[in-house]
Amino acid sequence: DAGVIQSPRHEVTEMGQEVTLRCKPISGHDYLFWYRQTMMRGLELLIYFNNNVPIDDSGMPEDRFSAKMPNASFSTLKIQPSEPRDSAVYFCASREGETQYFGPGTRLLVL
Amino acid sequence: QKEVEQNSGPLSVPEGAIASLNCTYSDRGSQSFFWYRQYSGKSPELIMSIYSNGDKEDGRFTAQLNKASQYVSLLIRDSQPSDSATYLCAVVSGSARQLTFGSGTQLTVLP
Repeated sequence: DAGVIQSPRHEVTEMGQEVTLRCKPISGHDYLFWYRQTMMRGLELLIYFNNNVPIDDSGMPEDRFSAKMPNASFSTLKIQPSEPRDSAVYFCASREGETQYFGPGTRLLVL
Repeated sequence: QKEVEQNSGPLSVPEGAIASLNCTYSDRGSQSFFWYRQYSGKSPELIMSIYSNGDKEDGRFTAQLNKASQYVSLLIRDSQPSDSATYLCAVVSGSARQLTFGSGTQLTVLP
């Protein structure tokens, strides 16, 4: 298996633009997690899905953030409009049992 | 109080020495504990899991768990420069058994 796949790997955008991050979990994993990592706040859980259903989005910082999982092999995290403080590395992870596997991350810079 | 606390470091040890990384957690009901290693610019990678009190060894790595003290540690024997990374402690919590991460300890092994 190729592991968790994320795209794009890097994204540079201007404040106010819409950003869409994509994730393909490992086949057969029933949980999918979105994290954000910054130097100041560390690794933060934003939202997670179980069998494509959002379970807890309490970590989503504001209404500008939204996430979907239309099927078992694809999820998106959208930021609209983006702001400079959204600059971070965004990780997607999927889980088998209690072992969680991270994707390579998307490094987002909002100017 | 943070749910999972780690010494932020940085921690420097000479090559060949034992590196000791510590973590405390607040949820007394936690049952599963993990150590992730994160190289600069990379995603977290699982290196150890521990579920029972005591020690668990895997090669040069030993995880130690003391549930009464709510304490988990990671020892790295014969430290190598390639062990230089940030080590994240993670604890399973919540109804979906999601991971809560500490802020990480940056380890540098000096040649």
